[in-house]
Amino acid sequence: GAGVSQSPSNKVTEKGKDVELRCDPISGHTALYWYRQSLGQGLEFLIYFQGNSAPDKSGLPSDRFSAERTGGSVSTLTIQRTQQEDSAVYLCASSPTRDRVETQYFGPGTRLLVL
Amino acid sequence: GENVEQHPSTLSVQEGDSAVIKCTYSDSASNYFPWYKQELGKRPQLIIDIRSNVGEKKDQRIAVTLNKTAKHFSLHITETQPEDSAVYFCAAVKAAGNKLTFGGGTRVLVKP
Repeated sequence: GAGVSQSPSNKVTEKGKDVELRCDPISGHTALYWYRQSLGQGLEFLIYFQGNSAPDKSGLPSDRFSAERTGGSVSTLTIQRTQQEDSAVYLCASSPTRDRVETQYFGPGTRLLVL
Repeated sequence: GENVEQHPSTLSVQEGDSAVIKCTYSDSASNYFPWYKQELGKRPQLIIDIRSNVGEKKDQRIAVTLNKTAKHFSLHITETQPEDSAVYFCAAVKAAGNKLTFGGGTRVLVKP
């Protein structure tokens, strides 16, 4: 079946502008995660959704970052007043349930460049 | 919170040789340890995982071992091939919360 999809694949924006990144998880997956990967670096957890609620937002780097999930499916990560240090690949992952630890499947990512 | 250390950061091996990547974790509550392979410009792909009730798992040329007492786990790739060249990430997950805490990654280069 279809995997995790993300859009846009690439986004170039000017410093100070807002951006929205979208994630479509695998159908039926109730858990959704956002991670960030800076150039040549590892993966950093941002936020986790179970259904439409976000029990763990501990990785969001500042109040410029927010995310929502509607209908237990699509999620949007919003970065307000972007800064150059926000440039990174933003990866979304989903897994079937949080009742037990499950494999997370990653999307292709959105490569964000803030000029 | 959980902290995962991964070594080495880079690894160069001759085709046909073995490669070993080691990770340590800090939180004894972690009970699931996946390994992801990420090729340049691509998404991380799960290659093997191990749960805390198992000490070793093998899948063809790839094996993972887990020492819960010492809180470390390792990835072993035998008979390496050029297509094994990639960045490999280990991760640890607790039963509750379920977020992945990643190691810093190992860039593996297999020389033909």
